[in-house]
Amino acid sequence: GNSVTQMEGPVTLSEEAFLTINCTYTATGYPSLFWYVQYPGEGLQLLLKATKADDKGSNKGFEATYRKETTSFHLEKGSVQVSDSAVYFCALRVGAGNMLTFGGGTRLMVKP
Amino acid sequence: GAGVSQSPSNKVTEKGKDVELRCDPISGHTALYWYRQSLGQGLEFLIYFQGNSAPDKSGLPSDRFSAERTGGSVSTLTIQRTQQEDSAVYLCASSLGSGTGFYGYTFGSGTRLTVV
Repeated sequence: GNSVTQMEGPVTLSEEAFLTINCTYTATGYPSLFWYVQYPGEGLQLLLKATKADDKGSNKGFEATYRKETTSFHLEKGSVQVSDSAVYFCALRVGAGNMLTFGGGTRLMVKP
Repeated sequence: GAGVSQSPSNKVTEKGKDVELRCDPISGHTALYWYRQSLGQGLEFLIYFQGNSAPDKSGLPSDRFSAERTGGSVSTLTIQRTQQEDSAVYLCASSLGSGTGFYGYTFGSGTRLTVV
C-alpha cells in the first residue's frame, strides 16, 4: 500500500535557523508528492508539490526535492520566521485518481 | 462560498450519543473528502464523494459511521453511538474534480469532536 512517514515533532527552532523536516514514502506506483501546511486555527493549505523525480517544489522560501532513489521529499527552509510556526504534512498521490495519503504531521515552533 | 465551511467548529458529546458533522464545500467543486485527524496521528481518509455518490468508503472505521451528500453540495458525516476513540478533528476538503490529473484540495478548518 501507500504510506508516508514524517519525523515526529515538535521541532523547535530559533528565528533564522535552518529547517529540515524529513519525509519518506512507500508507494505502489509513481507518486506525486506534496507538502501541506496548517497554521493555527486554519485549514490545511498546499505549500508546494513535485510530480516527478528530481523536481524541486518551492514556495514562500520552502523547498523540497523529489528523490526517487531514496523515496524522500524532505522540506527545507534556509531561515525560518516566527510566522512559519505551524503543522506541516507530507502527502502523496498515486495514479489517475485524486486521493491523497498523508503523513502524521510535524509541528514546527519558531521562537523569536 | 469563498471557502470550505464546516460546522460546528467544536462539539462535545456524551458517549453513546449520535452526532452530525456538516461540510459546505466550495461552489462548483464536484469532489468532497472527509478525513480524521486524531491526536498524534496523521490525516486518516474516511470517505470521498464525486457528486452525490461515494466511490470510495474504504476509510470508514465502522458501521457506526456514515456520510451522505445531497445536491452535489453539502455533506453530512454521522457518527452513531459515539465512543471515546471517536474523539478527533474531522476535516473536510473539496476539489474541482477527481479524474485524471490533480485538482488541488481546499480544506475546511475542521470540527473538533470530543466524546466524554
